[in-house]
Amino acid sequence: DADVTQTPRNRITKTGKRIMLECSQTKGHDRMYWYRQDPGLGLQLIYYSFDVKDINKGEISDGYSVSRQAQAKFSLSLESAIPNQTALYFCAPSFNMIAESNEQFFGPGTRLTVL
Amino acid sequence: AQRVTQPEKLLSVFKGAPVELKCNYSYSGSPELFWYVQYSRQRLQLLLRHISRESIKGFTADLNKGETSFHLKKPFAQEEDSAMYYCALSVPGTGNQFYFGTGTSLTVIP
Repeated sequence: DADVTQTPRNRITKTGKRIMLECSQTKGHDRMYWYRQDPGLGLQLIYYSFDVKDINKGEISDGYSVSRQAQAKFSLSLESAIPNQTALYFCAPSFNMIAESNEQFFGPGTRLTVL
Repeated sequence: AQRVTQPEKLLSVFKGAPVELKCNYSYSGSPELFWYVQYSRQRLQLLLRHISRESIKGFTADLNKGETSFHLKKPFAQEEDSAMYYCALSVPGTGNQFYFGTGTSLTVIP
């Protein structure tokens, strides 16, 4: 879905560096999620947000932080990157729909390599 | 804890053959189950969800609460079905946290 963008698409960084991954969406989704994808492990939830100023930890939040600056933007930060954070990172907004199932709309992903 | 298991990492079938991708979950309540697909060089996208009871691209999946399964099936596989498939579970009341399986890579052999 071209309405969800992630920047950068690829990034190589060094151990100890701070890095920020950005996600933007244009459809007014109120909920936003950050996942990492590792071979053989599937997708693991890092953080999610129901609205601006509402942040929740996922399964693997250690070593990460997030910021929901506006409804349309949800940033993921690695304060001090380490090699085992090398992965493919996905942002996935969704709507808060009580009556219906919640579909997540995935961004194109950011491939991060930490040397 | 909620967990999704996809026992097959790799699955190969011949074109025209039936295909079944297995998904089992552990949750005692009434979850929502989904299948997501990721074609080569494309982002993940929703294939189908159990509450819709729909058939997308010839695929169907039935939620079996007794066996806690949500297997994805297609009677006649096509080459364009080759992709990575993820089963996902969403638990109502948890802010709709999603739990994904480890994925199954399907290859349809011409």
